[in-house]
Amino acid sequence: GENVEQHPSTLSVQEGDSAVIKCTYSDSASNYFPWYKQELGKRPQLIIDIRSNVGEKKDQRIAVTLNKTAKHFSLHITETQPEDSAVYFCAVVGGTSYGKLTFGQGTILTVHP
Amino acid sequence: DAMVIQNPRYQVTQFGKPVTLSCSQTLNHNVMYWYQQKSSQAPKLLFHYYDKDFNNEADTPDNFQSRRPNTSFCFLDIRSPGLGDAAMYLCATSRGISNQPQHFGDGTRLSIL
Repeated sequence: GENVEQHPSTLSVQEGDSAVIKCTYSDSASNYFPWYKQELGKRPQLIIDIRSNVGEKKDQRIAVTLNKTAKHFSLHITETQPEDSAVYFCAVVGGTSYGKLTFGQGTILTVHP
Repeated sequence: DAMVIQNPRYQVTQFGKPVTLSCSQTLNHNVMYWYQQKSSQAPKLLFHYYDKDFNNEADTPDNFQSRRPNTSFCFLDIRSPGLGDAAMYLCATSRGISNQPQHFGDGTRLSIL
């Protein structure tokens, strides 16, 4: 089955800095790559996603890049704010595990004021 | 307005006493999912329905069952909860099975006494 590795497990930045979280996956047939933000005690919230026919997608301060050849994708958050502090999960869908979200292990992001 | 609604938000049950968690959606999505999320871990898929077709994950314990009486509602039944079943249970929906965003409810936190 699909295997997703996410790094780093914790990330601490100062307000205004950029944050980058990276994920690698194993199934080359995977075709959908969402990122979820989860605040403590709350539901995972979809913040951005990218499909396999696109290399980069941006939404205000958040961007995702995808390298299908290398089988990795990254979340970039610029001008971080304290309210960006949360757990971020990458996920992969498609290929042999169609429809099933396989999550990375999560990254705890802390933005210090 | 919440589009994926889970009830109750908090559920306490006794060891071995059956419990049912409910999920409803106003999105008219074909697919409904149940995830289990334990502290500091990523959500783990238990099963999903594509319309009326039930799909169980290979490692989901037999103790967990699900029902989907209509498009809008889906239930998670835990027949004999053990201490290890204490977790957050998340319901999600998506329009289709392939590369479609999944939308999560707020979850039900289950405690076992």
